Amino acid sequence: DTEVTQTPKHLVMGMTNKKSLKCEQHMGHRAMYWYKQKAKKPPELMFVYSYEKLSINESVPSRFSPECPNSSLLNLHLHALQPEDSALYLCASSQVASASYEQYFGPGTRLTVT
Amino acid sequence: KQEVTQIPAALSVPEGENLVLNCSFTDSAIYNLQWFRQDPGKGLTSLLLIQSSQREQTSGRLNASLDKSSGRSTLYIAASQPGDSATYLCADTQGGSEKLVFGKGTKLTVNP
Repeated sequence: DTEVTQTPKHLVMGMTNKKSLKCEQHMGHRAMYWYKQKAKKPPELMFVYSYEKLSINESVPSRFSPECPNSSLLNLHLHALQPEDSALYLCASSQVASASYEQYFGPGTRLTVT
Repeated sequence: KQEVTQIPAALSVPEGENLVLNCSFTDSAIYNLQWFRQDPGKGLTSLLLIQSSQREQTSGRLNASLDKSSGRSTLYIAASQPGDSATYLCADTQGGSEKLVFGKGTKLTVNP
């Protein structure tokens, strides 16, 4: 099973709201990733967690707050977002955080900030 | 900084045709190169991963090759079908880290 699941599929939120995106994998992977993809653009890395610890933050604004409660679960907490944050948010996982291992992506959460 | 380029940006072919998608990268010291497929509004599906020590990988009608010396990878799709219509993205690892750097993709349309 190479499945990464993400919920919700779609999310509409106002600029003053607080919401969370959830990602889950049961492949025993110890690295998990958040990517952001704007329309007609390639995905861009936001965060990497390795063994439940944040290992890479690509200078993402603090209104995005990642959390990895356990090795199977990754959350992205959203607060005071801007309309330009509207995008497809993709979660991925790999066996470990290494260039040698394939990354598996989830279906994404389509976020609209109004 | 690693850059990944995909040409062409869009490709339209009749059903049954064999085709090649191109990917070029600037850093020959890559660890691996991964090809993905993305349907409109959907996530990425991993198609093939080529390790730097390999020259090609095959899965069904797909064959991906890697030439580190020239900084190029190609994805060959045999006997294309309308269901192959999607955007194809290649990505390599920046500086040997786990950070994937993506090309902008090739949008493929296979016409019945």
